[in-house]
Amino acid sequence: QLQLEESGPGLVRPSETLSLVCSVSGVSLSGSSYFWGWIRQPPGKGLEWIASISKSGNIYYNPSLESRVAISIDMSKNQFSLKLSSVTHTDTAVYYCARMGTLIATPEGIVHWGQGTLATISS
Amino acid sequence: SYDLTQPLSVSVSPGQTASITCSGDELENKYVSWYQKKAGRSPFLVIYEDKKRPSGIPERFSGSNSGNTATLTISGAQAVDEGDYYCQTWDSSTTSLVFGTGTKVTVL
Repeated sequence: QLQLEESGPGLVRPSETLSLVCSVSGVSLSGSSYFWGWIRQPPGKGLEWIASISKSGNIYYNPSLESRVAISIDMSKNQFSLKLSSVTHTDTAVYYCARMGTLIATPEGIVHWGQGTLATISS
Repeated sequence: SYDLTQPLSVSVSPGQTASITCSGDELENKYVSWYQKKAGRSPFLVIYEDKKRPSGIPERFSGSNSGNTATLTISGAQAVDEGDYYCQTWDSSTTSLVFGTGTKVTVL
């Protein structure tokens, strides 16, 4: 059974870099034909897609975050990661990792989500 | 950027029908998914490819997409259906996965 689990620091100072890891169990990333992605939800606000990556290294970023974001995949650890630089309080959010679609357009929807991890940006 | 607009809130009496709209430019040319989101929980897929229900989703959930508007309909709404609902699509022109603004559904 596919499971995703986010991990991260919880608290990050403004202007620093937020680093998050999604550990995947139940399926091998190296054998998967899916895209893997990050989505966030600031307190009291809506869902926002951040980035997606495939095992072959195809990467897509939200244009509004592209200058600050980097997504990567480590198939030896069966993990994928997100780095968000120069964070401000507006980056405070619950961050979810998810298995996206077999195509970047994800027409089949997003079925598998992690439980989410809260990242708070504060000094 | 490509935007998807939803009403802030929808109220429905138990057993009645709730319709949630999602508006975007030429949306009928894109596939739309719908998610239920409850506080403290991860989003939950209820409709994909405009009108398909994932396994285990009750038949009272249905979807449609025509023109610039996609619609999620909950027929015979139940208290358990309360929550926030988000539409989602992919915009190829901006290569972006986009979520709607979200609609709070209240069953009372």
